[in-house]
Order: sequence, then structure tokens, then C-alpha cells
Amino acid sequence: AQRVTQPEKLLSVFKGAPVELKCNYSYSGSPELFWYVQYSRQRLQLLLRHISRESIKGFTADLNKGETSFHLKKPFAQEEDSAMYYCALSGYLTGGGNKLTFGTGTQLKVEL
Amino acid sequence: DVKVTQSSRYLVKRTGEKVFLECVQDMDHENMFWYRQDPGLGLRLIYFSYDVKMKEKGDIPEGYSVSREKKERFSLILESASTNQTSMYLCASSRGQPQETQYFGPGTRLLVL
Repeated sequence: AQRVTQPEKLLSVFKGAPVELKCNYSYSGSPELFWYVQYSRQRLQLLLRHISRESIKGFTADLNKGETSFHLKKPFAQEEDSAMYYCALSGYLTGGGNKLTFGTGTQLKVEL
Repeated sequence: DVKVTQSSRYLVKRTGEKVFLECVQDMDHENMFWYRQDPGLGLRLIYFSYDVKMKEKGDIPEGYSVSREKKERFSLILESASTNQTSMYLCASSRGQPQETQYFGPGTRLLVL
């Protein structure tokens, strides 16, 4: 079974402060991990995925297999980063196809 | 640009009604998904399909069924709507590999009275 845990429902930081959104996962194989973001009144969209090893909008995430974590980080929060962030894990299924399992999400609020 | 569209943004239905939610994608994606999004619960997978006429149960399939007669279209059916199915419903599509991005529709907010 695959599971994703985001322990914080709400994270409030001041503009310019560092941000870390936590994500832990449980999966028996080699996981594909993602962060998705939903800005107010917009559709859910991909922020970044670990296989790309890229930084998007200043955000990075490192896969730590020992700690089974994929925390999202940004050194300096901006007001426009306020959004709902979901960590997600994808893996192959025995019967075919693949399935994405989401965490419960963390609402990031960046205050001035 | 990948486009995933959903037939309605808002729906109001009565308990016991049969409800159809339609989703269409224009990028020839193999996989299509239906989720419901509830505060504090995140996104939960209802059903998914990795090929035409194929369907697999997700984590919360009870009270729902799906249909995929054409590759671009994936329908979610509430056979007899109940108040606990009031939610935001999101459709998504992706290519076939686990590392592929899922592209989401704008969502349908369903209210069951």
C-alpha cells in the first residue's frame, strides 16, 4: 500500500522567511514523488517532481529514501506562494496502470 | 497545452437523483482519474482508467461508477446521490508511466440536497 503524510494542515510564515512543507511517504517499491499546488480559484497543477531535479518558482524538494521524506523548501517566501500544497506519490499497479496517492495538503499562508 | 475540461462547474442535485459528471481531455492520454477533494482530507481517488473500457477502483469507489467508452472521455456516475457526496470533484489525465504529470480539470462543485 502507498501512503503520503503531510503533518501540517496550515503553515503560516512571514514574507522573506524560509519555508519547509513536510511530506513523508510509505511505499514498498521505488517511488515517484511530486508536489502539486492549487492557488486560489485555479486548478490543481504540478509544481515539481523529484525525477526532474529542478527548481520551480524557487522551490526545491529532495528525496530522502532513508527518512522516506520529500520535503518542499524555499529560502525566502513570497506573498504569491500562498496556496494549498499537496505531496503525491505514484507507483505501478500489479493489474496495470499507475496510481497517484495524495497527502491531505498543507495550506501555506505568507504574511506581510 | 494540455486541456482537461469538465462539463459543469457547479451542480445542485436532490438526494436519490442519478448524476453524471463528464470529463474530456485533448492530449491522447492513456490514464484518466476521478478524485473528490474535501477540506482536511485532501484528494481521494474514486476510480481510474488506464485504457478505453478499462476501469479500476480507487480508494473510495462506493456509491460511484464510471464509464470510458472513448479514450478522451471519462464519466463519473452517482447512481443515487446522497448528501455525503456533496464535494468538489476533480478529473485528471496523464500518460501511462508513473513519473508522468497529471493534468487536472477545473473541478465540479456538487451540492446534494
